[in-house]
Amino acid sequence: AQTVTQSQPEMSVQEAETVTLSCTYDTSESDYYLFWYKQPPSRQMILVIRQEAYKQQNATENRFSVNFQKAAKSFSLKISDSQLGDAAMYFCAYRSFSGTYKYIFGTGTRLKVLA
Amino acid sequence: NAGVTQTPKFQVLKTGQSMTLQCAQDMNHNSMYWYRQDPGMGLRLIYYSASEGTTDKGEVPNGYNVSRLNKREFSLRLESAAPSQTSVYFCASSEWGKFGTVYFGPGTRLTVT
Repeated sequence: AQTVTQSQPEMSVQEAETVTLSCTYDTSESDYYLFWYKQPPSRQMILVIRQEAYKQQNATENRFSVNFQKAAKSFSLKISDSQLGDAAMYFCAYRSFSGTYKYIFGTGTRLKVLA
Repeated sequence: NAGVTQTPKFQVLKTGQSMTLQCAQDMNHNSMYWYRQDPGMGLRLIYYSASEGTTDKGEVPNGYNVSRLNKREFSLRLESAAPSQTSVYFCASSEWGKFGTVYFGPGTRLTVT
């Protein structure tokens, strides 16, 4: 069975600085999707960025980018120029490319942004 | 286009009471999910429905039942609520397609006393 591990329960970053959130996963599959979701205090889950495993190029969305290391089964999220609005819980998630369509989530990392 | 909607947003139950959480999506997605979120545990899958007419157990199905009423609607029922079911419940949906992004509802905060 696939698992997703986020080993940092909480992280802090100064406003305008860069922070990296870690995520590792375990799977025997070769094709899959990876995601980062943000959950602000409003509780709404918001997609931040996604990566298809068959793509070697790391995904980027404005200030958010990932470092996808397929062999190491690592999928970290880098937030550049951190803003107060980035403060939230961040969840890493895995989904198989086919089959049961289940999404497996990590336990989350709470990000605090310091003014 | 409302996305994924859930009702109610908040609910307090006494131990032993039953209730149904309703979920609907208007994105014509095939797959729907119920998750629960507890502090330090992340999101855990309760049940999912890969397509209309099918349902399968997730990681933590005990104490719950589901119904995929049609392609739009997927309900979660607690037959006899227990304090351990105090949690935030999220319904979600996704398409099978290449991107596979899952979309979430706003969540239901359930307290069982």
